[in-house]
Amino acid sequence: GDSVTQMEGPVTLSEEAFLTINCTYTATGYPSLFWYVQYPGEGLQLLLKATKADDKGSNKGFEATYRKETTSFHLEKGSVQVSDSAVYFCALSDWSNTGKLIFGQGTTLQVKP
Amino acid sequence: EAGVTQFPSHSVIEKGQTVTLRCDPISGHDNLYWYRRVMGKEIKFLLHFVKESKQDESGMPNNRFLAERTGGTYSTLKVQPAELEDSGVYFCASSQDTWDYGYTFGSGTRLTVV
Repeated sequence: GDSVTQMEGPVTLSEEAFLTINCTYTATGYPSLFWYVQYPGEGLQLLLKATKADDKGSNKGFEATYRKETTSFHLEKGSVQVSDSAVYFCALSDWSNTGKLIFGQGTTLQVKP
Repeated sequence: EAGVTQFPSHSVIEKGQTVTLRCDPISGHDNLYWYRRVMGKEIKFLLHFVKESKQDESGMPNNRFLAERTGGTYSTLKVQPAELEDSGVYFCASSQDTWDYGYTFGSGTRLTVV
Protein backbone atom coordinates (compact mmCIF):
# COMPACT_ATOMS: atom_id res chain seq x y z
CA GLY A 1 0.00 0.00 0.00
CA ASP A 2 0.87 3.65 -0.14
CA SER A 3 3.36 4.88 2.43
CA VAL A 4 5.54 7.81 3.43
CA THR A 5 8.96 7.64 5.05
CA GLN A 6 10.57 10.61 6.78
CA MET A 7 14.00 11.03 8.26
CA GLU A 8 14.06 10.33 11.94
CA GLY A 9 14.42 13.17 14.36
CA PRO A 10 14.87 15.06 16.41
CA VAL A 11 16.73 17.54 14.29
CA THR A 12 18.52 20.24 16.26
CA LEU A 13 19.85 23.29 14.46
CA SER A 14 21.19 26.69 15.35
CA GLU A 15 19.29 29.74 14.21
CA GLU A 16 20.00 30.71 10.58
CA ALA A 17 21.18 27.20 9.69
CA PHE A 18 20.03 25.43 6.53
CA LEU A 19 17.28 22.84 6.98
CA THR A 20 16.55 19.70 5.04
CA ILE A 21 14.01 17.11 6.14
CA ASN A 22 13.94 14.12 3.84
CA CYS A 23 10.70 12.51 2.70
CA THR A 24 10.23 9.63 0.28
CA TYR A 25 7.03 7.92 -0.71
CA THR A 26 5.52 4.84 -2.30
CA ALA A 27 2.21 5.36 -4.04
CA THR A 28 -0.23 4.05 -6.58
CA GLY A 29 -1.00 6.48 -9.33
CA TYR A 30 -0.21 10.16 -9.07
CA PRO A 31 -0.74 11.45 -5.56
CA SER A 32 -0.50 15.01 -4.36
CA LEU A 33 2.18 15.63 -1.75
CA PHE A 34 2.03 17.78 1.36
CA TRP A 35 3.98 19.06 4.30
CA TYR A 36 2.04 19.74 7.48
CA VAL A 37 3.45 21.40 10.59
CA GLN A 38 2.36 21.13 14.21
CA TYR A 39 3.53 23.91 16.50
CA PRO A 40 3.51 23.21 20.24
CA GLY A 41 -0.03 23.10 21.61
CA GLU A 42 -1.66 23.57 18.22
CA GLY A 43 -3.27 21.45 15.53
CA LEU A 44 -1.68 20.47 12.25
CA GLN A 45 -1.47 23.19 9.63
CA LEU A 46 -0.84 22.78 5.95
CA LEU A 47 2.58 24.25 5.21
CA LEU A 48 2.84 23.60 1.48
CA LYS A 49 1.76 21.22 -1.24
CA ALA A 50 2.52 20.04 -4.78
CA THR A 51 0.02 18.33 -7.01
CA LYS A 52 2.13 16.98 -9.86
CA ALA A 53 5.68 16.03 -10.77
CA ASP A 54 8.23 18.86 -10.80
CA ASP A 55 5.87 21.21 -8.98
CA LYS A 56 7.48 23.23 -6.21
CA GLY A 57 5.45 24.09 -3.15
CA SER A 58 6.56 27.03 -1.05
CA ASN A 59 5.42 28.96 2.02
CA LYS A 60 7.03 30.95 4.84
CA GLY A 61 10.49 30.39 3.34
CA PHE A 62 10.03 26.62 3.14
CA GLU A 63 10.19 24.79 -0.19
CA ALA A 64 9.72 21.26 -1.46
CA THR A 65 9.82 19.89 -4.99
CA TYR A 66 7.80 16.89 -6.17
CA ARG A 67 10.40 14.51 -7.63
CA LYS A 68 8.73 11.59 -9.35
CA GLU A 69 11.97 10.00 -10.50
CA THR A 70 13.25 9.70 -6.95
CA THR A 71 9.80 9.53 -5.30
CA SER A 72 10.83 12.29 -2.93
CA PHE A 73 9.47 15.54 -1.50
CA HIS A 74 12.23 16.90 0.72
CA LEU A 75 11.50 19.98 2.80
CA GLU A 76 14.10 22.78 2.78
CA LYS A 77 14.57 26.19 4.31
CA GLY A 78 17.59 28.36 3.84
CA SER A 79 17.68 29.98 7.27
CA VAL A 80 15.65 28.62 10.17
CA GLN A 81 14.36 30.63 13.09
CA VAL A 82 13.57 29.64 16.66
CA SER A 83 9.89 30.03 15.77
CA ASP A 84 10.23 27.18 13.24
CA SER A 85 10.60 24.68 16.08
CA ALA A 86 7.77 22.21 15.55
CA VAL A 87 6.93 18.73 14.30
CA TYR A 88 6.86 18.39 10.52
CA PHE A 89 4.82 15.73 8.74
CA CYS A 90 5.12 14.67 5.12
CA ALA A 91 1.91 13.28 3.60
CA LEU A 92 0.35 12.11 0.36
CA SER A 93 -3.19 11.92 -0.88
CA ASP A 94 -4.76 8.52 -1.07
CA TRP A 95 -5.32 7.19 -4.62
CA SER A 96 -9.07 7.15 -4.10
CA ASN A 97 -9.11 10.94 -3.89
CA THR A 98 -11.56 10.99 -1.00
CA GLY A 99 -9.57 13.42 1.05
CA LYS A 100 -7.76 10.71 2.98
CA LEU A 101 -4.13 11.49 3.78
CA ILE A 102 -1.26 9.09 4.44
CA PHE A 103 1.32 10.56 6.77
CA GLY A 104 4.92 9.91 7.63
CA GLN A 105 6.00 9.51 11.24
CA GLY A 106 6.89 13.16 11.73
CA THR A 107 10.22 14.89 12.33
CA THR A 108 10.76 17.10 15.35
CA LEU A 109 12.77 20.22 14.65
CA GLN A 110 14.34 22.21 17.45
CA VAL A 111 16.04 25.47 16.60
CA LYS A 112 18.33 26.98 19.21
CA PRO A 113 19.18 30.69 19.38
CA GLU B 1 -14.41 31.73 11.61
CA ALA B 2 -14.03 29.35 14.49
CA GLY B 3 -11.67 26.48 13.87
CA VAL B 4 -12.05 22.78 14.52
CA THR B 5 -12.56 22.24 18.23
CA GLN B 6 -11.75 19.07 20.07
CA PHE B 7 -12.31 18.17 23.68
CA PRO B 8 -11.14 17.17 26.04
CA SER B 9 -7.60 18.22 25.27
CA HIS B 10 -6.26 15.54 27.59
CA SER B 11 -7.79 12.43 29.09
CA VAL B 12 -6.28 9.87 31.41
CA ILE B 13 -8.34 6.75 32.01
CA GLU B 14 -7.80 3.26 33.33
CA LYS B 15 -7.72 0.21 31.15
CA GLY B 16 -11.24 -1.11 30.69
CA GLN B 17 -12.95 2.24 31.09
CA THR B 18 -14.86 4.13 28.44
CA VAL B 19 -13.86 7.45 26.93
CA THR B 20 -15.69 9.68 24.48
CA LEU B 21 -13.87 12.24 22.41
CA ARG B 22 -15.71 15.05 20.71
CA CYS B 23 -15.00 17.07 17.59
CA ASP B 24 -16.80 20.20 16.44
CA PRO B 25 -15.91 20.89 12.81
CA ILE B 26 -15.99 24.23 11.08
CA SER B 27 -19.59 25.20 10.45
CA GLY B 28 -20.74 24.15 7.00
CA HIS B 29 -17.99 21.60 6.45
CA ASP B 30 -19.57 18.38 5.27
CA ASN B 31 -16.40 16.31 5.48
CA LEU B 32 -15.06 15.26 8.86
CA TYR B 33 -12.04 13.04 9.40
CA TRP B 34 -10.56 11.31 12.42
CA TYR B 35 -6.88 10.43 12.64
CA ARG B 36 -4.64 9.29 15.46
CA ARG B 37 -0.95 9.28 16.25
CA VAL B 38 0.27 6.52 18.49
CA MET B 39 3.58 6.57 20.36
CA GLY B 40 5.29 9.15 18.14
CA LYS B 41 4.64 7.12 15.02
CA GLU B 42 2.88 8.19 11.86
CA ILE B 43 -0.54 9.79 11.93
CA LYS B 44 -3.04 7.20 10.75
CA PHE B 45 -6.44 7.67 9.21
CA LEU B 46 -9.37 6.29 11.19
CA LEU B 47 -12.51 7.32 9.33
CA HIS B 48 -14.28 9.87 7.16
CA PHE B 49 -17.79 11.24 7.44
CA VAL B 50 -19.68 13.05 4.74
CA LYS B 51 -22.40 14.81 6.66
CA GLU B 52 -23.79 12.11 8.94
CA SER B 53 -22.75 9.16 6.78
CA LYS B 54 -19.60 7.12 7.22
CA GLN B 55 -17.83 7.35 3.87
CA ASP B 56 -14.80 5.31 4.81
CA GLU B 57 -14.11 3.60 8.13
CA SER B 58 -11.31 1.37 6.90
CA GLY B 59 -8.87 2.73 9.46
CA MET B 60 -10.89 1.92 12.57
CA PRO B 61 -8.71 -0.52 14.49
CA ASN B 62 -11.40 -2.77 15.95
CA ASN B 63 -14.95 -2.85 17.22
CA ARG B 64 -14.03 -1.16 20.49
CA PHE B 65 -14.10 2.09 18.55
CA LEU B 66 -17.42 3.69 17.63
CA ALA B 67 -17.75 6.97 15.77
CA GLU B 68 -20.92 8.92 15.25
CA ARG B 69 -21.89 12.19 13.68
CA THR B 70 -25.38 13.11 14.69
CA GLY B 71 -27.16 15.42 12.26
CA GLY B 72 -24.00 15.98 10.32
CA THR B 73 -22.64 18.44 12.86
CA TYR B 74 -20.30 17.42 15.68
CA SER B 75 -18.78 13.97 15.90
CA THR B 76 -17.91 11.69 18.79
CA LEU B 77 -15.41 8.87 18.97
CA LYS B 78 -16.01 6.39 21.75
CA VAL B 79 -13.51 3.82 22.91
CA GLN B 80 -15.05 1.03 24.96
CA PRO B 81 -13.34 -0.67 26.70
CA ALA B 82 -10.05 1.19 26.41
CA GLU B 83 -6.80 -0.74 26.14
CA LEU B 84 -3.24 0.42 26.77
CA GLU B 85 -2.44 0.48 23.04
CA ASP B 86 -5.19 3.03 22.46
CA SER B 87 -3.03 5.72 24.03
CA GLY B 88 -2.09 8.46 21.61
CA VAL B 89 -3.23 11.74 20.14
CA TYR B 90 -6.55 11.75 18.29
CA PHE B 91 -6.98 14.43 15.66
CA CYS B 92 -10.10 15.60 13.94
CA ALA B 93 -10.19 17.57 10.70
CA SER B 94 -12.88 19.05 8.49
CA SER B 95 -13.16 20.34 4.95
CA GLN B 96 -15.71 21.71 2.53
CA ASP B 97 -14.73 19.37 -0.29
CA THR B 98 -13.05 15.99 -0.42
CA TRP B 99 -10.39 17.26 -2.81
CA ASP B 100 -9.39 20.04 -0.43
CA TYR B 101 -6.43 18.47 1.30
CA GLY B 102 -5.61 21.67 3.08
CA TYR B 103 -8.31 20.83 5.51
CA THR B 104 -8.32 22.24 9.02
CA PHE B 105 -7.20 20.12 11.93
CA GLY B 106 -8.12 20.48 15.57
CA SER B 107 -5.40 20.55 18.20
CA GLY B 108 -6.09 16.97 19.16
CA THR B 109 -7.03 15.00 22.24
CA ARG B 110 -4.19 13.28 24.05
CA LEU B 111 -5.52 10.02 25.44
CA THR B 112 -3.53 8.10 28.02
CA VAL B 113 -4.73 4.67 29.11
CA VAL B 114 -3.06 3.40 32.28
